[in-house]
Amino acid sequence: DVKVTQSSRYLVKRTGEKVFLECVQDMDHENMFWYRQDPGLGLRLIYFSYDVKMKEKGDIPEGYSVSREKKERFSLILESASTNQTSMYLCASSRTGTTNEKLFFGSGTQLSVL
Amino acid sequence: AQTVTQSQPEMSVQEAETVTLSCTYDTSESDYYLFWYKQPPSRQMILVIRQEAYKQQNATENRFSVNFQKAAKSFSLKISDSQLGDAAMYFCAYRGYLIQGAQKLVFGQGTRLTINP
Repeated sequence: DVKVTQSSRYLVKRTGEKVFLECVQDMDHENMFWYRQDPGLGLRLIYFSYDVKMKEKGDIPEGYSVSREKKERFSLILESASTNQTSMYLCASSRTGTTNEKLFFGSGTQLSVL
Repeated sequence: AQTVTQSQPEMSVQEAETVTLSCTYDTSESDYYLFWYKQPPSRQMILVIRQEAYKQQNATENRFSVNFQKAAKSFSLKISDSQLGDAAMYFCAYRGYLIQGAQKLVFGQGTRLTINP
C-alpha cells in the first residue's frame, strides 16, 4: 500500500516561529501536494510539486513556501507563523502518467499557532 | 476557475436507511473527473467513488452510487443501507482532464454525515 507520512499529528507553535511540516511518500510518486483544511471551507491547495526542485503555487500560497529536494519528501514552511495559519494541513501524492490517477493522502497535521 | 459547492454542512440518517449528499460544480471544461472522498475521525482521506465526465453511466461502488447530471453540473452521492462506519466528513472534488502533470483537485466545503443507530 502507498504510504504518505506526515511527521507530526499535532503541533503547537508560537506566533512568529518558523515552522516546518514534513511529508514523505514511499511510492516514487512524481506529484506532491499541500492542502489546508478549515471548517466550512473544505480543502484548499497551498502548493504542489510535479518534480524534484519544481514547485507551483496553489490557490492560497501567501505566507507559505515549500521545498522538494528529494522525490519522496515535500516540506511546507511557514516562515513566520501567524494565528490565522492555525489549521489542519494535509499532504498528498500521486503518480503522473494517466489521467485518472488518484491522490493518496497523509493523516494530517493539526497545527495550532498561539 | 473551477468551483465545487456542497450546500449541506451536516446530514444525519438512521442506520440501514439511504442518504443522498449533494454537490454542484462550475466549470467551462467538457472533460473532467469528479470524486467523492470520505474522511473519518482518523483523518485519513479515502476515495469513495470516481466519475469520468465523458461517461454517461453513473458510477457505482457497492453501497455507494452517484447521480451525475452533466448539464446541471450536479454530482450527488447516494449511500444505501447506511452503516455506522459510514459516519465521516464527505468531500466532493473536481479535477480537470490532464494528460500529464499534477492532477490538482478542487474540493467542496464538506458534509458531515452522522449515522444514528
